[in-house]
Amino acid sequence: KQEVTQIPAALSVPEGENLVLNCSFTDSAIYNLQWFRQDPGKGLTSLLLIQSSQREQTSGRLNASLDKSSGRSTLYIAASQPGDSATYLCAVSVDAGGTSYGKLTFGQGTILTVHP
Amino acid sequence: DGGITQSPKYLFRKEGQNVTLSCEQNLNHDAMYWYRQDPGQGLRLIYYSQIVNDFQKGDIAEGYSVSREKKESFPLTVTSAQKNPTAFYLCASSRGQTKRVLDEQFFGPGTRLTVL
Repeated sequence: KQEVTQIPAALSVPEGENLVLNCSFTDSAIYNLQWFRQDPGKGLTSLLLIQSSQREQTSGRLNASLDKSSGRSTLYIAASQPGDSATYLCAVSVDAGGTSYGKLTFGQGTILTVHP
Repeated sequence: DGGITQSPKYLFRKEGQNVTLSCEQNLNHDAMYWYRQDPGQGLRLIYYSQIVNDFQKGDIAEGYSVSREKKESFPLTVTSAQKNPTAFYLCASSRGQTKRVLDEQFFGPGTRLTVL
């Protein structure tokens, strides 16, 4: 059974710092990996999606890397801002012979606080 | 304005009652999903549907039921058999595996269910 772990559980940093959030998964047979952001009491916003054949994806100040063989992904946030404060979740989907069942397995999330 | 809507935002249920949560999408997506989120935990899959008139159980389907009579709608019923229904419920959709494209999932704003 796929298990996803995110470290650290919580992180507090001053504005302007570069930071790294970690995600690990136990079964490397994934189709893709998604990083999400969740604000308190809200739904999830998709940040980045990495296909299993890719090594990284970038969007603005965000960069996500994937090392499928070692079962790890990192989300790098450059020049953090107070508006980045949220819970960040990673999720992986099962590889079903080149397609995805679409079933996501989520980590428990990292709560990020960026203070001015 | 494309997206996923969920209603109601807040729902209160007395013990022994069934309640139905609404999820509608106008993204023309084939696949739809229901997740449950408990405090401090990641999301867990309840049911998913890859195509109209078809759906499968997720990891925690007991005490829940769904229907998929229309492409844009995927209502979730929380039955009296669900022992601990108080949680935040999130609906999602994606293009679906039949399209063989990026299976990125997009989420609605969620419904918070409280049992009185």
